[in-house]
Amino acid sequence: GNSVTQMEGPVTLSEEAFLTINCTYTATGYPSLFWYVQYPGEGLQLLLKATKADDKGSNKGFEATYRKETTSFHLEKGSVQVSDSAVYFCALSDGAAGNKLTFGGGTRVLVKP
Amino acid sequence: NAGVMQNPRHLVRRRGQEARLRCSPMKGHSHVYWYRQLPEEGLKFMVYLQKENIIDESGMPKERFSAEFPKEGPSILRIQQVVRGDSAAYFCASSAENTIYFGEGSWLTVV
Repeated sequence: GNSVTQMEGPVTLSEEAFLTINCTYTATGYPSLFWYVQYPGEGLQLLLKATKADDKGSNKGFEATYRKETTSFHLEKGSVQVSDSAVYFCALSDGAAGNKLTFGGGTRVLVKP
Repeated sequence: NAGVMQNPRHLVRRRGQEARLRCSPMKGHSHVYWYRQLPEEGLKFMVYLQKENIIDESGMPKERFSAEFPKEGPSILRIQQVVRGDSAAYFCASSAENTIYFGEGSWLTVV
């Protein structure tokens, strides 16, 4: 079956530091890959996505590249802000059952001023 | 274009009562998904519905849980005879093409 593994948190950073959250996956076929962000007490917001190998998704300074050879989709941001404090979820959809998503366990990020 | 709307946002039920959670998908979306997020955990798929049809319910507990998406009106996730372990955030999502959009969730607390 499909699975997503992401680094455990919490990750604590200072403002303007570089952020990387590792995500690897196991899936049949060629899944689409997503990063979602969840702010405290809120729902999930789509941060970025990539639908095929070597695609780069980007949004709000965040980037992730779909690496088929390493089955990875690591999230990066060059200079974080306090407002980036949230839980980040990596997810995949293999298209076999609509757009059913398989999520990683989430990584909590705390950015300190 | 309104997003995915869920209500209630917060619900408190005593053990043994029933909980009903509602979800209205984004306009034009005919696919609805329900996910559950236990405290400090990721989201787990529960059920995938299209209008009047359950497509995939592989993540639904075998007892007490049911879901529907009628021809008219919102999708409803129903939990009968709730227990403390049902306390969680329940998220609805809808999709068109290959992107899923989530609602803000319904937080169920069983006391």
